[in-house]
This record gives sequence, structure tokens and C-alpha cells, in this order.
Amino acid sequence: GQNIDQPTEMTATEGAIVQINCTYQTSGFNGLFWYQQHAGEAPTFLSYNVLDGLEEKGRFSSFLSRSKGYSYLLLKELQMKDSASYLCAVRFDQTGANNLFFGTGTRLTVIP
Amino acid sequence: GAVVSQHPSWVICKSGTSVKIECRSLDFQATTMFWYRQFPKQSLMLMATSNEGSKATYEQGVEKDKFLINHASLTLSTLTVTSAHPEDSSFYICSVFTSGRGYEQYFGPGTRLTVT
Repeated sequence: GQNIDQPTEMTATEGAIVQINCTYQTSGFNGLFWYQQHAGEAPTFLSYNVLDGLEEKGRFSSFLSRSKGYSYLLLKELQMKDSASYLCAVRFDQTGANNLFFGTGTRLTVIP
Repeated sequence: GAVVSQHPSWVICKSGTSVKIECRSLDFQATTMFWYRQFPKQSLMLMATSNEGSKATYEQGVEKDKFLINHASLTLSTLTVTSAHPEDSSFYICSVFTSGRGYEQYFGPGTRLTVT
């Protein structure tokens, strides 16, 4: 729902930087989340953006442009353990209820 | 250590029976908890927001009479899958959040439900 688009798969080299993009329909936007999920495990929370700009948290940063309906997750100094799926989720304010929609996830493979 | 626990970690039940999944916040009191579901090889889906002392808020398309949520205390929320069917087989995950020093969210380890 709400056309949450993110690439299905990405590959990057250990030590490098990778940017995972997420686009969404802007109408009713009420917050964007990024999660990391290793295969077979529950996800972990990475970031929550509701205002425009870049938020940095260690090796991970998340950017949001509400007017463009665009966010990215930036991973620096990639490590092998960063191989995982990265889920973008957007909350929309619809008919008085906040609804949360997930993208299909981006499976990142970090290679030596 | 773990911030959120879930019990059981996995369960197999027969079609038509009900299953209760517990989610406990271990480190802090949680007035709000979230319940998610994830089918194999698919993304996550938020099912409902559990509110302590009041009714849960369900996402569009989630049957509230089938997925009963009770948030009776600040540390415990339960999800009961009533009259389970094979199509309810999924990975159920709960989560709590804090907003004291910025938004942080913690997930439980998940419960794998298989309905035969």
C-alpha cells in the first residue's frame, strides 16, 4: 500500500558506503522508519524520521525529504554483519487512523 | 540483555484452536505495544497497536475479532489468535517504544506459529 518503493537487492563491499533509497506517496505522511532484519530473526529498529534532514547514529544515517517523498538509509564502513534486509516503513494519517505500510525490504549483501 | 520477551517462541496448533502469545516489556513500563506479523519471505506488517487499559487499535484489514489483544498491565500484552487456520501460520512479533530521549523501538524475538 501507498507505493513504498525500495530496491529489492543490493550488493556492496566491506568497508564501503551504501545508500538504500525509499520512496513513498507524500499525501498524509506521518513518519518514516528504517529497520534491519537478519534472516530468521526479529527486526531491530534503526531510525525514525518525521522532519526533513539527516539523522546520524553511529555508522548508520537516515535522511528524509517530505516534499519529495524520499528517504535513504546510509551505511558507512560496511561490515560483513551488515548483510541483512533493510525495511522502510511509512506511517500515513488516513481517515483519522495512523496506518503503517512497509516496503518489500532491501536485501543487502556485503562481500569481502 | 533483552528488553522485550515473547512466549512461546514457537507453537504448533491444530486448525480451529486458539493460541495466546505473550509479550513482556522487561526494562520499562510500556503503555503502548505493537504487534506485527510476517509471512515467509515477505515484509513485515503491523497488525495493531496495543494500549494499556484500553482497546487496541487495529490496522486496516486486520480482523479484531480474530486477533484479540489484551494489554492488562504496563508490562504485558497478549495476542490471541482465535480459531486458527493454516493461513494464520506466520511469525508474530511484538515491540515497545520509548520516546524519552528520542524515539527508540525494541522488538521481541518473535513467535513462530504453525497451524496444521
